[in-house]
Amino acid sequence: TQLLEQSPQFLSIQEGENLTVYCNSSSVFSSLQWYRQEPGEGPVLLVTVVTGGEVKKLKRLTFQFGDARKDSSLHITAAQPGDTGLYLCAGLHYFGNEKLTFGTGTRLTIIP
Amino acid sequence: DSGVTQTPKHLITATGQRVTLRCSPRSGDLSVYWYQQSLDQGLQFLIQYYNGEERAKGNILERFSAQQFPDLHSELNLSSLELGDSALYFCASSSRRAGTGELFFGEGSRLTVL
Repeated sequence: TQLLEQSPQFLSIQEGENLTVYCNSSSVFSSLQWYRQEPGEGPVLLVTVVTGGEVKKLKRLTFQFGDARKDSSLHITAAQPGDTGLYLCAGLHYFGNEKLTFGTGTRLTIIP
Repeated sequence: DSGVTQTPKHLITATGQRVTLRCSPRSGDLSVYWYQQSLDQGLQFLIQYYNGEERAKGNILERFSAQQFPDLHSELNLSSLELGDSALYFCASSSRRAGTGELFFGEGSRLTVL
């Protein structure tokens, strides 16, 4: 069962454009993380958001956690070819034991 | 370099066989996680160990088993392999037993079952 749905699944845009990636769930998460994965490598953590409504910025990347802690978004301003990769959201929730559930992923390609 | 080491990087085997994937966590990390990544399923949590003990279990098949040794390295054993087991298997480590800590991933082991 996939609890975290990401959209779009694939996104290809020109360098310099802005974009937003969404991560949605019907479950409430205690926190949510965003990772970026490049070909041949494992995912690398970009950010963790904990509080409902929280906004975090990492250079040209802006992350927001939904007020109800069920969804999140990643906005990239003036995309660069180096932003190319697979973006994964991951939510931490409690099912007796805590575990991190990953979303379906958004594969982003920035065209120079 | 995340500090997490996985071997082998690539493995090709036949259906019905058994393989062992190995993971060395970052120095000092007590938690080890195993994930399976396939094209149509995303990143699926398999199992977590903390300081040698199983702590959380995900969608791990009965044909799969894992353990964490006293030196904290971990092994994932996959037996009676099927074509559908072909995937990237990632190990990740964390300094935390649970919670919002960062997971550090290895480069993965790509398993191909023919």
